[in-house]
Amino acid sequence: QQQVKQSPQSLIVQKGGISIINCAYENTAFDYFPWYQQFPGKGPALLIAIRPDVSEKKEGRFTISFNKSAKQFSLHIMDSQPGDSATYFCAASRRTDKLIFGTGTRLQVFP
Amino acid sequence: SQTIHQWPATLVQPVGSPLSLECTVEGTSNPNLYWYRQAAGRGLQLLFYSVGIGQISSEVPQNLSASRPQDRQFILSSKKLLLSDSGFYLCAWSVRLGRGVRELFFGEGSRLTVL
Repeated sequence: QQQVKQSPQSLIVQKGGISIINCAYENTAFDYFPWYQQFPGKGPALLIAIRPDVSEKKEGRFTISFNKSAKQFSLHIMDSQPGDSATYFCAASRRTDKLIFGTGTRLQVFP
Repeated sequence: SQTIHQWPATLVQPVGSPLSLECTVEGTSNPNLYWYRQAAGRGLQLLFYSVGIGQISSEVPQNLSASRPQDRQFILSSKKLLLSDSGFYLCAWSVRLGRGVRELFFGEGSRLTVL
């Protein structure tokens, strides 16, 4: 019940395309859903986050879509760029700071 | 501004040898501190977290231990390394945002290879 399932494991997108990464959770008590971005050899950094009281949050080219009834949330990267190539982690927590992370998605954007 | 330092960045150790990874945070007081391990295809696994000096919670039983001798210092240790301890170790600290949410800030990581 504590797991966060993330898919796909890897994703290849052409420059300008849309990248979509999906996550699903079981624990209905989770109330904070962040996405982290990690470049090779670096630590992850917060990219964007959402609370369950909204169904979508957009920051620039990055959008989180949240479906509370399905217990799913996804990250959409519009107009994907080679600089977006990184590993992306979804996560969830229950008003505490012990984030439960997904297994990560390696995104490669080719020009 | 707050910064987090983690060292060493890279470490190659023989099986059975001891381990000490250090992490310090600057620019904040009484942070929550964390050790994560990242293995290929397994995401970020929380190993230990600490809410204060001497207060350590272990998330996964294993060959590792953690200590917090000072407010902004967090140490990951092992007395005898196993091959399975190889991985990318990340220290992190958290800050409380609104409505009880905390954001995690990660260090640059320490890559450990056990041979």
